[in-house]
Amino acid sequence: GENVEQHPSTLSVQEGDSAVIKCTYSDSASNYFPWYKQELGKRPQLIIDIRSNVGEKKDQRIAVTLNKTAKHFSLHITETQPEDSAVYFCAASSSGGSNYKLTFGKGTLLTVNP
Amino acid sequence: EAQVTQNPRYLITVTGKKLTVTCSQNMNHEYMSWYRQDPGLGLRQIYYSMNVEVTDKGDVPEGYKVSRKEKRNFPLILESPSPNQTSLYFCASSFNRLNEQFFGPGTRLTVL
Repeated sequence: GENVEQHPSTLSVQEGDSAVIKCTYSDSASNYFPWYKQELGKRPQLIIDIRSNVGEKKDQRIAVTLNKTAKHFSLHITETQPEDSAVYFCAASSSGGSNYKLTFGKGTLLTVNP
Repeated sequence: EAQVTQNPRYLITVTGKKLTVTCSQNMNHEYMSWYRQDPGLGLRQIYYSMNVEVTDKGDVPEGYKVSRKEKRNFPLILESPSPNQTSLYFCASSFNRLNEQFFGPGTRLTVL
């Protein structure tokens, strides 16, 4: 089955700096890679996603890059703000056979210091 | 308002007492899923459903059951809960598996 590794587990940056979170996946049949943000005590919410036919996607200060050959994808947050502080999860969804699971990484706690 | 609802939000129970956590969505989504969230382990998928009467195991299905008799509802059943099922549970739905999942508010379950 799919295995998603996420690094780092914690990340602390100064306001205005960039933050990068990296994930690797094991199943080459995976073709959908979403990123979710979970604020303390809240439910996860999608912030950006990418499909395997695209190498990069941007949405304002957030970008995701995908390297299918190396089986890794990354989240980039520029000009970080205190409200970016949260736990971020990457995930991978496979399309192989009858397997339609969504496998999440263990999460990255991002702290943006004012 | 488009939403995913779960009930109950909090539950304390004892080992072996059957319980059901309900999940309902009003967005006509086909894909529904249950996750458990434990500190340091992230979100782990328990079961998912591609559509009515179509369900399959996620990564941690042991000790759980689900059913999908109607498109909007996807209850999670614990036939004989044990303390290791103490966790925060999220239900989620999406148009299909390649789209944004909308999460419910979560159910915090404690099994004594």
